[in-house]
Amino acid sequence: EVQLVESGGGLVQPGGSLRLSCAASGFTFSSSAMSWVRQAPGKGLEWVSTISGSAGSTHYADSVKGRVTISRDNSKNTLYLQMNSLRAEDTAVYYCVKLENSLDYWGQGTLVTVSS
Amino acid sequence: QSALTQPASVSGSPGQSITISCTGTSSDVGIYNLVSWYQQHPGKAPKLMIYEVTKRPSGVSDRFSGSKSGNTASLTISGLQAEDEADYYCSSYAGSSTWVFGGGTKLTVL
Repeated sequence: EVQLVESGGGLVQPGGSLRLSCAASGFTFSSSAMSWVRQAPGKGLEWVSTISGSAGSTHYADSVKGRVTISRDNSKNTLYLQMNSLRAEDTAVYYCVKLENSLDYWGQGTLVTVSS
Repeated sequence: QSALTQPASVSGSPGQSITISCTGTSSDVGIYNLVSWYQQHPGKAPKLMIYEVTKRPSGVSDRFSGSKSGNTASLTISGLQAEDEADYYCSSYAGSSTWVFGGGTKLTVL
């Protein structure tokens, strides 16, 4: 059974940083591309970033480019999202998602709140 | 990375069928057969219902079906049930390893 468990969310001041983690199990992590998708309170889904299985390629939404870095540790079956220069509009639930030809398995999400 | 267009809300009575549209462009929905649909109940994570336009993951009811014509994809739910009441999102591959979502549709079962 595929399991994705996010952690690392919390309250951070504008301009601050946060690192999200996602522990994966139940599939061959190193063979799977992974993504982060976020959902602001009461709003829709927004794709944030994708990383290939080998970590050889990364891609970002324009809204976070230059402020966010996606990475992974295949030896630990863990996905990361380093977020810097956080803004109020980054407030959202961040989901870790396994990617095949669709975003097929989702974690339960971790809430990031950017506020002073 | 413009969002796909979905109706804000749709409704139907139990047993009826409803269709939710998802309109993109020739750079996403129109060119890639990588449209997927997600169901989200309040406070829960999204769940994949349809992938690659028409395919259903194991365990998803065959009351859910997908289709595409040109730049518009559609999700049809037949034999509406109370538990189908949820938010539904479409998504499409948009090239260069990027993905785009629709704004979401709230389905109300009357």
